Amino acid sequence: GEDVEQSLFLSVREGDSSVINCTYTDSSSTYLYWYKQEPGAGLQLLTYIFSNMDMKQDQRLTVLLNKKDKHLSLRIADTQTGDSAIYFCAESNNGQNFVFGPGTRLSVLP
Amino acid sequence: GAVVSQHPSWVICKSGTSVKIECRSLDFQATTMFWYRQFPKQSLMLMATSNEGSKATYEQGVEKDKFLINHASLTLSTLTVTSAHPEDSSFYICSASPLAKNIQYFGAGTRLSVL
Repeated sequence: GEDVEQSLFLSVREGDSSVINCTYTDSSSTYLYWYKQEPGAGLQLLTYIFSNMDMKQDQRLTVLLNKKDKHLSLRIADTQTGDSAIYFCAESNNGQNFVFGPGTRLSVLP
Repeated sequence: GAVVSQHPSWVICKSGTSVKIECRSLDFQATTMFWYRQFPKQSLMLMATSNEGSKATYEQGVEKDKFLINHASLTLSTLTVTSAHPEDSSFYICSASPLAKNIQYFGAGTRLSVL
């Protein structure tokens, strides 16, 4: 079946850029998403990208998609302590059935 | 916009009792809602997909008689954990998908602790 992989941990210093990587196996993925989860909370949609795009920027967030390599990344510029959370990558081929990665725990050090 | 409210946020119950969790889309209509379970430090596990006015579709291994789902309107889905046992203790999260949009918006989750 489809699989989504992410590295589990990332630590960065406050003010630096964070890059969270994700790979997926489903070549028919049409939609790719990044969600943020803070402790004890639900998931907050950060951004999403269609498979016919290779980049999307939204303020401090930049999403890059390499469809050939099935690789998605999320770059957070000027990372702040409030960005500490778990970031989930998800893919869908129909916009209904989502496959989530294991989540990357981002720790921002002062 | 696109707010999903989940209630209660935390519930503690005795073993053998039933617990109902509500998921509401506050500012949009959702033909489809999803129920997930999340174990500590793990990703989300899809339990079932709930479509308004029809029976929910359960994922393999999820007991439909144990986890009753009702989606009576375009803004409300409920999950009832029947005869809860300690192994049902978990974080349950719902999401809702607006009509004709390929996005899921998530509730804040419900922490269920069964004693």
